[in-house]
Amino acid sequence: SQQGEEDPQALSIQEGENATMNCSYKTSINNLQWYRQNSGRGLVHLILIRSNEREKHSGRLRVTLDTSKKSSSLLITASRAADTASYFCALTSGTYKYIFGTGTRLKVLA
Amino acid sequence: DVKVTQSSRYLVKRTGEKVFLECVQDMDHENMFWYRQDPGLGLRLIYFSYDVKMKEKGDIPEGYSVSREKKERFSLILESASTNQTSMYLCASSTPGDSLYEQYFGPGTRLTVT
Repeated sequence: SQQGEEDPQALSIQEGENATMNCSYKTSINNLQWYRQNSGRGLVHLILIRSNEREKHSGRLRVTLDTSKKSSSLLITASRAADTASYFCALTSGTYKYIFGTGTRLKVLA
Repeated sequence: DVKVTQSSRYLVKRTGEKVFLECVQDMDHENMFWYRQDPGLGLRLIYFSYDVKMKEKGDIPEGYSVSREKKERFSLILESASTNQTSMYLCASSTPGDSLYEQYFGPGTRLTVT
């Protein structure tokens, strides 16, 4: 399967702690994106990292990409209760197609 | 503010009914997508469209068809709904390019087929 695989499937942390989730994939990619989904809602784009980039920051988010290992990680620093959501990586490796992972469910406890 | 809207948040239909799910985007995007989301399976692509009247099958097109008569509107059709089509349906749009850009998602339609 080309699907991205995310690890862990679920994560529970205390408010203020950092949360790290990982995405591994099998195909070559153009870019890799991370999305957040609040319960029962649509996905919201968080950050995009291109295949020639190694690290990218956006506010409390830090994304790394290792194309040799075919893996990416998303770090959320100083987590808040409002960060409770599911997080998905999405690969783009062709002209039109996005391949989504199965997601990590993050719960931030106040 | 960019927006993708879906015609219904919740929908209950009977087996064998024809079901229409509508999606409208106001960003003048060329690309539009329909996914279904099931627990443990993530998002799976049903169909996408890269232009008016153009469509391509995704990973799980069986039992579905689509229509794109206008740039802003992309419809998903379940010709004869079955219980295994009970799912969350998500519509998305994006701009084309050599490197695909972010997708904008609608709020989703939770369809139950009884």
